[in-house]
Amino acid sequence: DTEVTQTPKHLVMGMTNKKSLKCEQHMGHRAMYWYKQKAKKPPELMFVYSYEKLSINESVPSRFSPECPNSSLLNLHLHALQPEDSALYLCASSQDTWTGNEKLFFGSGTQLSVL
Amino acid sequence: GQQLNQSPQSMFIQEGEDVSMNCTSSSIFNTWLWYKQDPGEGPVLLIALYKAGELTSNGRLTAQFGITRKDSFLNISASIPSDVGIYFCAGQLSRGSQGNLIFGKGTKLSVKP
Repeated sequence: DTEVTQTPKHLVMGMTNKKSLKCEQHMGHRAMYWYKQKAKKPPELMFVYSYEKLSINESVPSRFSPECPNSSLLNLHLHALQPEDSALYLCASSQDTWTGNEKLFFGSGTQLSVL
Repeated sequence: GQQLNQSPQSMFIQEGEDVSMNCTSSSIFNTWLWYKQDPGEGPVLLIALYKAGELTSNGRLTAQFGITRKDSFLNISASIPSDVGIYFCAGQLSRGSQGNLIFGKGTKLSVKP
């Protein structure tokens, strides 16, 4: 099983809303990631969690707030987003922190539209 | 920042044709991964390469880790309509560089009209 599950599949929100994206994996992976992908572009790294601790924040605005409640779950809390934040948000996981011999598995993404 | 040059940017295929795409860089990479992404879906891992010169197959797909460690190619033999999509190469520069997976800009495969 190499499945990373993301919910919801689609999300439309206003700029004053608060919403959360959820990600779950049951592969025993200890590293989890959030990526943002604009249309026709490659994914861009946002956050990395290693053993449930935030290890990388790629200078992401504070309106995006990640949370890792346990080793299987990863959330991304959204508040006061801007229309330019509309994108496909991808969760990914790997066995351990990316050390060069790992495989990164992606979920199917949440397509976010900010109105 | 570090960049991967992926080519071609796009290509049209006719069913049954072989397809080839590659990624190059001026930097030495430790790992190469090849992904396929369908519209509105996440990238799916096709092949992972860890050693210079390594040649790995996955069905009709074959990928190689270049000897210089600065490039990788992906071949698809006898293409079928479901091969349509965007293919990304991704590489890691060095061990222990957390999250440092660099993506190419993608190769979009479409069906010839």
